[in-house]
Amino acid sequence: EIVLTQSPGTLSLSPGERATLSCRASQSVSSSYLAWYQQKPGQAPRLLIYGASSRATGIPDRFSGSGSGTDFTLTISRLEPEDFAVYYCQQYGSSPTFGQGTKVEIK
Amino acid sequence: QVQLVQSGAEVKKPGASVKVSCKASGYTFTGYYMHWVRQAPGQGLEWMGRINPNSGGTNYAQKFQGRVTMTRDTSISTAYMELSRLRSDDTAVYYCARGGRGAAGSQLYYFDYWGQGTLVTVSS
Repeated sequence: EIVLTQSPGTLSLSPGERATLSCRASQSVSSSYLAWYQQKPGQAPRLLIYGASSRATGIPDRFSGSGSGTDFTLTISRLEPEDFAVYYCQQYGSSPTFGQGTKVEIK
Repeated sequence: QVQLVQSGAEVKKPGASVKVSCKASGYTFTGYYMHWVRQAPGQGLEWMGRINPNSGGTNYAQKFQGRVTMTRDTSISTAYMELSRLRSDDTAVYYCARGGRGAAGSQLYYFDYWGQGTLVTVSS
């Protein structure tokens, strides 16, 4: 099983700031099969990024993904009020697994 | 628009079974795998398995082998997940989620649309 470790656990930032979230895999993720999701309290997760860097339908371009192999990054260029949430990475190169999540909170 | 609508909350006793439904609309039901993901209170996400609605073929996470059964009814575009021998640590929100597809039409195991979730509480 591929274990995904996200860091930091919590990110305290102000609206307008840049957020950089990390996801590290215990072994290489084949074909960059890495996705990112956003989840707000009481809601289902929402797909943001798939294939490490492709934005899902309707996702604003302030969200971007990068990386390959074992190291991946989600960047939110300028935080909007609605971006404060928990973010999960997920690999789907083998039996799917998720990271433990990074909470982006208002500073 | 794609919609996945799940059945309502359930309360079950330990040792019982629960069956959750997921009705799909807005796309060709048989064209995309349907996955099930659960989330225990305050915890992260856990993939349980998937069903191919076209063939009925399934692939379950090892952790749930022998306890989970995924089925579908193509006549009503609905997928089902049944979990048996429930324990208190099965208390969670259960989500159905549509699988993604690659450029060549291959089925991929990321999740582009999600149901609203079904809370299953296991308590004596």
